[in-house]
Amino acid sequence: TQLLEQSPQFLSIQEGENLTVYCNSSSVFSSLQWYRQEPGEGPVLLVTVVTGGEVKKLKRLTFQFGDARKDSSLHITAAQPGDTGLYLCAGTQGGKLIFGQGTELSVKP
Amino acid sequence: NAGVTQTPKFQVLKTGQSMTLQCAQDMNHNSMYWYRQDPGMGLRLIYYSASEGTTDKGEVPNGYNVSRLNKREFSLRLESAAPSQTSVYFCASRGTGAANEQFFGPGTRLTVL
Repeated sequence: TQLLEQSPQFLSIQEGENLTVYCNSSSVFSSLQWYRQEPGEGPVLLVTVVTGGEVKKLKRLTFQFGDARKDSSLHITAAQPGDTGLYLCAGTQGGKLIFGQGTELSVKP
Repeated sequence: NAGVTQTPKFQVLKTGQSMTLQCAQDMNHNSMYWYRQDPGMGLRLIYYSASEGTTDKGEVPNGYNVSRLNKREFSLRLESAAPSQTSVYFCASRGTGAANEQFFGPGTRLTVL
C-alpha cells in the first residue's frame, strides 16, 4: 500500500485549462515537497511546505498543505505545454522522503 | 558544479550477472540516497547513508548492497541481477538547508534479461 496517494495518475488537458493534483495520506508529515520530473532526468524540487494550512505560490502554480499536515494539493492556472511532466509529492518522515506514485501531466497546445 | 553524477546511464544485464552503479556529488552533502523508479510506483528508497561511514536500509533493500566510499561517493551493487530489478535508478544527496531539498542525478536505466 502506498503511504502517499496521488490523484489523478494521468491528466491530459488543453493549453489554458486549470488543473489540481492531490496528494493524500493517513500519516502526518513534518514537511511535504513537490517535485517535477522531465523524461530522462531526475526530479527537481518545486516547493517545500512545512506549516499546516500553508499556501505557497510559484508563478502559475499554487501549493497548499492541509491543516493536519496529512495532505497537499498543487493547482496550476492556465496550463502551458511547458508544464508537461511528472509531478511527484513527497512527505518527510524521520529524515527520509516518502514519494507518491506521481501524476503524469500532458498539456496540449 | 556538476551536482550529482551517475554512471552508467544505460545498462543491460543477463540474469545472475553483477554490476555496480556509481554516484558522486560535489556539494559537500552528508546524506545520500539510492532510489528505484518503476511505472506507477513513484520513487522507492533502496538504501541511504546519513553520513560518511554509515548506511541503512530503506523500503526495498533486498538484492542490493551499498558502499559509502567517502563523503562524495555512494555506490549501489547488484550481486546477482534478477528481471525484477529492471528499473530506473536514481541517486540523490540532501542539503542541510531548512528546505530539506534532495538533489537527484540523471538516473541509470537498467534492464535485466
